[in-house]
Amino acid sequence: AQRVTQPEKLLSVFKGAPVELKCNYSYSGSPELFWYVQYSRQRLQLLLRHISRESIKGFTADLNKGETSFHLKKPFAQEEDSAMYYCAPPRQRDDKIIFGKGTRLHILP
Amino acid sequence: NAGVTQTPKFQVLKTGQSMTLQCAQDMNHNSMYWYRQDPGMGLRLIYYSASEGTTDKGEVPNGYNVSRLNKREFSLRLESAAPSQTSVYFCASSGLATVEAFFGQGTRLTVV
Repeated sequence: AQRVTQPEKLLSVFKGAPVELKCNYSYSGSPELFWYVQYSRQRLQLLLRHISRESIKGFTADLNKGETSFHLKKPFAQEEDSAMYYCAPPRQRDDKIIFGKGTRLHILP
Repeated sequence: NAGVTQTPKFQVLKTGQSMTLQCAQDMNHNSMYWYRQDPGMGLRLIYYSASEGTTDKGEVPNGYNVSRLNKREFSLRLESAAPSQTSVYFCASSGLATVEAFFGQGTRLTVV
């Protein structure tokens, strides 16, 4: 089964400082990974997917096969980045989608 | 374009009461999911349905039942609510052409 691990439950970062939310995956082959974001009392929404290699709201995530990681990064944190972030694999062959436990990002003023 | 719609948004139940959470999607997705979200536990999969007529257990199915009524609708039922089921519940769907999930706005359930 494709699994992801987010080791940090809470990450507090000062406004303007760099942000790195960690995600490690534990399956072989060519993984396809996603980051979802949930702002306060809103639905989860897709933030970015690694295959598109895009930057959304200043966030990027690079797949590192050597370290089996897909960390989410932003060079300069903004207060509106405060949210819950989930790393996730794609829908699996048995159709399950199992999310990581999530990391709450708190941007300090 | 409504996407995934859940009802109700909020609910308070007494221990032992039953209720059904409704979910509908208008994206013609085959796969639908129910998750619960608890502080420190993240999103945990309760049940899912790969297609109309099929349902399977997820990570935390105990105390819940589901029905895939048709391709659009996937309901979650609590037969006898317990305080441990106090949580925020999210419905999601995913299609053949996409492998990511699309979420509803959530149902905040409190069992007293």
